[in-house]
Amino acid sequence: GAGVSQSPSNKVTEKGKDVELRCDPISGHTALYWYRQSLGQGLEFLIYFQGNSAPDKSGLPSDRFSAERTGGSVSTLTIQRTQQEDSAVYLCASSLSGLVAEPQLNEQFFGPGTRLTVL
Amino acid sequence: AQTVTQSQPEMSVQEAETVTLSCTYDTSESDYYLFWYKQPPSRQMILVIRQEAYKQQNATENRFSVNFQKAAKSFSLKISDSQLGDAAMYFCAYRIWDNAGNMLTFGGGTRLMVKP
Repeated sequence: GAGVSQSPSNKVTEKGKDVELRCDPISGHTALYWYRQSLGQGLEFLIYFQGNSAPDKSGLPSDRFSAERTGGSVSTLTIQRTQQEDSAVYLCASSLSGLVAEPQLNEQFFGPGTRLTVL
Repeated sequence: AQTVTQSQPEMSVQEAETVTLSCTYDTSESDYYLFWYKQPPSRQMILVIRQEAYKQQNATENRFSVNFQKAAKSFSLKISDSQLGDAAMYFCAYRIWDNAGNMLTFGGGTRLMVKP
């Protein structure tokens, strides 16, 4: 596609429910990133995929959070047993590659995010 | 661990005037990248400008320029001839120079208001 897309745009859920957030990266981009932006704060790194592998899961805040990527394309971030502190905007980004240093190849392009509200 | 600090939660500028947003960072690396991103109400992060740490020359992109002081670990953004469309959240970000995932570390952001 023309850009990174995310769905849903907004999600309201009740505490304790599971949610799935979806990210469609730019076609041909092998690297994919998830970030979380809590209200009034900067972005916090969650996880990085190169292809279907996640070499860096260091940012996932708890074992309630998991992510997968299939076919080197679409990624899903799943939050189980949601808590009110999970309320945030979840942003996805993709880049041509995460394996090289050249900025022209690993510039991250961001999607519009999913705003998650846990009641 | 690397940290990025933006000490100005909010800034205001008159249309057509110049404004400077501050950013400092802490790292033990010698090679890295620094970025300024703009986030309008649409939430989509837009890359404004990038600086490679090994380059002494400050990056410029049209009305946007940076003042990169490597020894002081300072990276400020100057917006000249401010326009109403510049109103947004601005985030400073850092990335180390290697191929280990290239994750970005962000500051807390500065909200820029532009007065007509």
